[in-house]
Amino acid sequence: GIQVEQSPPDLILQEGANSTLRCNFSDSVNNLQWFHQNPWGQLINLFYIPSGTKQNGRLSATTVATERYSLLYISSSQTTDSGVYFCAVNAGNNRKLIWGLGTSLAVNP
Amino acid sequence: DGGITQSPKYLFRKEGQNVTLSCEQNLNHDAMYWYRQDPGQGLRLIYYSQIVNDFQKGDIAEGYSVSREKKESFPLTVTSAQKNPTAFYLCASSITSGVEQYFGPGTRLTVT
Repeated sequence: GIQVEQSPPDLILQEGANSTLRCNFSDSVNNLQWFHQNPWGQLINLFYIPSGTKQNGRLSATTVATERYSLLYISSSQTTDSGVYFCAVNAGNNRKLIWGLGTSLAVNP
Repeated sequence: DGGITQSPKYLFRKEGQNVTLSCEQNLNHDAMYWYRQDPGQGLRLIYYSQIVNDFQKGDIAEGYSVSREKKESFPLTVTSAQKNPTAFYLCASSITSGVEQYFGPGTRLTVT
C-alpha cells in the first residue's frame, strides 16, 4: 500500500522563525490533508490540498502531485504553533486515510 | 454550532469491562470514522461507515464493535477482547467517504 513519510520528525524553533515541513508519498493520491494536533489532542484541519498551493494566514502549503510530495510552510512561528503536524493521504479506490508519523514542533518564546 | 462531539473526554475502566465511546455529528455527513492513537504514533483506523446501517473494518478492528443506526451517531464499543485498550480515541466525519475529514476532540481511555 501507499507509504507516507514526514520529515523532520522533530523540530525546535525560536519564536518568529520560519520552517518547512515535508510529506513524501509513494504513489499517486486523490486527496491530501495537513493537520495540527495541539497539546490537548485536538486535530485541527489546516489544508485539504491534493495539488497546488494554498495559503491561510501565516501558513501555506504546496503539493506537487507529479513528484509525490507536499510542503507545509510556517512563517513567523508562535508558541501556539507547537504540537504535532500530520500529513494524511488517500489513493485510488481506497476510502481510508493513510497517515504519516508526524512532525513534532516546539516553538520556544 | 456545527461540529463533532465526543464524550466523555476522559474515561477510566477496569480490565474485563466493555465500554462505549460516543461520537455525534451535526454536519449532515454521510461518512464517519474511528481512529486510535498511541503515544508518539500516527492514527490507525478501527472502523468506518460510509452510510447509515453500513460499516467496514479498518486496520485494527479486533476487540472493537460499532453501530450506525442514525446518520448523526457512530458509537464505538471497546470490548474485553481488546488486549491493549488504553489509548486516545478520535472520531471523524466527512461529507462522503474519501474526501476531507473533520475530527472530534477525542476520548482518552484508561483501562487498569
